[in-house]
Amino acid sequence: AQSVAQPEDQVNVAEGNPLTVKCTYSVSGNPYLFWYVQYPNRGLQFLLKYITGDNLVKGSYGFEAEFNKSQTSFHLKKPSALVSDSALYFCAVRGPYNQGGKLIFGQGTELSVKP
Amino acid sequence: DGGITQSPKYLFRKEGQNVTLSCEQNLNHDAMYWYRQDPGQGLRLIYYSQIVNDFQKGDIAEGYSVSREKKESFPLTVTSAQKNPTAFYLCASSIRGGGSNQPQHFGDGTRLSIL
Repeated sequence: AQSVAQPEDQVNVAEGNPLTVKCTYSVSGNPYLFWYVQYPNRGLQFLLKYITGDNLVKGSYGFEAEFNKSQTSFHLKKPSALVSDSALYFCAVRGPYNQGGKLIFGQGTELSVKP
Repeated sequence: DGGITQSPKYLFRKEGQNVTLSCEQNLNHDAMYWYRQDPGQGLRLIYYSQIVNDFQKGDIAEGYSVSREKKESFPLTVTSAQKNPTAFYLCASSIRGGGSNQPQHFGDGTRLSIL
């Protein structure tokens, strides 16, 4: 079965420092991978996706993610964190074709950026 | 602006009552989804629809029902059979369903609580 794991419930970073939010996946075949961000009492906002090609994907708000097939990972990164980046981050993989293209989500990682 | 509108933002359910959550999109997307979000559990799929007049159960469909009479609308009814309905409900849409590499777009959610 396809699955996504985010091993850290919470990540704490000082403003201006680089940040990494970790994600590993388990799928059969080539994965379609996504990162979303959620602010309190709001829906999910799309940040970036990996479909194929370059292993380093650039997305919105200065975020990027590195796809590593051998380690089955898709970690989210940003060179310099902002206080406004504090939010809940979800990694997701596209589910099987015969399940309507549903997204399978990790449990989420709370990112806290302190001034 | 194109997007997904969910209403109401907050909803309270009495014992034995059915309640309906609204989801409307003007993105001209074929596929629509309902997810349930509980703290620390990520998002889980309730129902999805890839085309008008057709919908499929997701991973946690028991106690819920949906309809898809129009392309723009995908309402979710939480029935009295759902014994633990307190959660944050998110509606999403995408251009196509299974096999698509396009991201899903999310509404801002409805928070349902028991009275």
